[in-house]
Amino acid sequence: AQSVTQPDIHITVSEGASLELRCNYSYGATPYLFWYVQSPGQGLQLLLKYFSGDTLVQGIKGFEAEFKRSQSSFNLRKPSVHWSDAAEYFCAVGAKTSYDKVIFGPGTSLSVIP
Amino acid sequence: EAGVVQSPRYKIIEKKQPVAFWCNPISGHNTLYWYRQNLGQGPELLIRYENEEAVDDSQLPKDRFSAERLKGVDSTLKIQPAELGDSAVYLCASGAEWGGLAGDQETQYFGPGTRLLVL
Repeated sequence: AQSVTQPDIHITVSEGASLELRCNYSYGATPYLFWYVQSPGQGLQLLLKYFSGDTLVQGIKGFEAEFKRSQSSFNLRKPSVHWSDAAEYFCAVGAKTSYDKVIFGPGTSLSVIP
Repeated sequence: EAGVVQSPRYKIIEKKQPVAFWCNPISGHNTLYWYRQNLGQGPELLIRYENEEAVDDSQLPKDRFSAERLKGVDSTLKIQPAELGDSAVYLCASGAEWGGLAGDQETQYFGPGTRLLVL
C-alpha cells in the first residue's frame, strides 16, 4: 500500500523568498503524484500532478515540483512567495489501477511574513 | 464549468442526532469520492463510487455511516447517530471515468466541504 510523508508540519517564509515543501512517498511502482492547496474554509485545489515523462512538472500559480525516483520524493517549489500563498499544502500519491486509492499526506501549513 | 457543489457548508448538531450531506459532482464525471478531513490532517477516503457502484467503502464506518448515489450523479452521505468524534470537514470530490484519457484518471476535483460540529 502506498503512503505519503510531509516532514514539515509548518513553514514560515518571508514574502518574496523562495519556497520548497518536502514530500516523500512509498509505493511499489511508479506512482501518480499530486500537490493540492487548501485555503482556510475551502476545498482542495490541484496545483500540479505527475503521471509520467518529464520529471519537472509545472503547475498553476507559479509552482513547480520535481519527481526524483531515487529519493522517492516529489518536492514542491516556488521561486518567490506571495502573501496569498499562505495555506495548507497536501502531497498525495495515487496508483495506476482503479483498485488503489489516492493517499494524502498530513499537510504542511505555510505562513508568509510580509 | 461549474465545480463540485456541496451542501450544507456548515452543520451543528447534538450527538446522537442524524445528519446528511449532499454532493453534486462536475457534469460528466463518473467517479465520486467522499472524504473526511480531521483538523490538521489530510483527507481520508470514506467511499468511492464509479457511477452507481460503491467500488471502495472499506474505510466507511458502516455501523453509523451510509452513502448512496442512486442515479450515478449526485450523492448523499449520512451519519446516524452522530458522535462527538465525527466532528470534521466532509469533502466530496469527482473525477473522470477510469479508463479514460491518460492524465484524467486520477485527478480529483474537490468541493468546498461541509464542516460538521457535533456537540
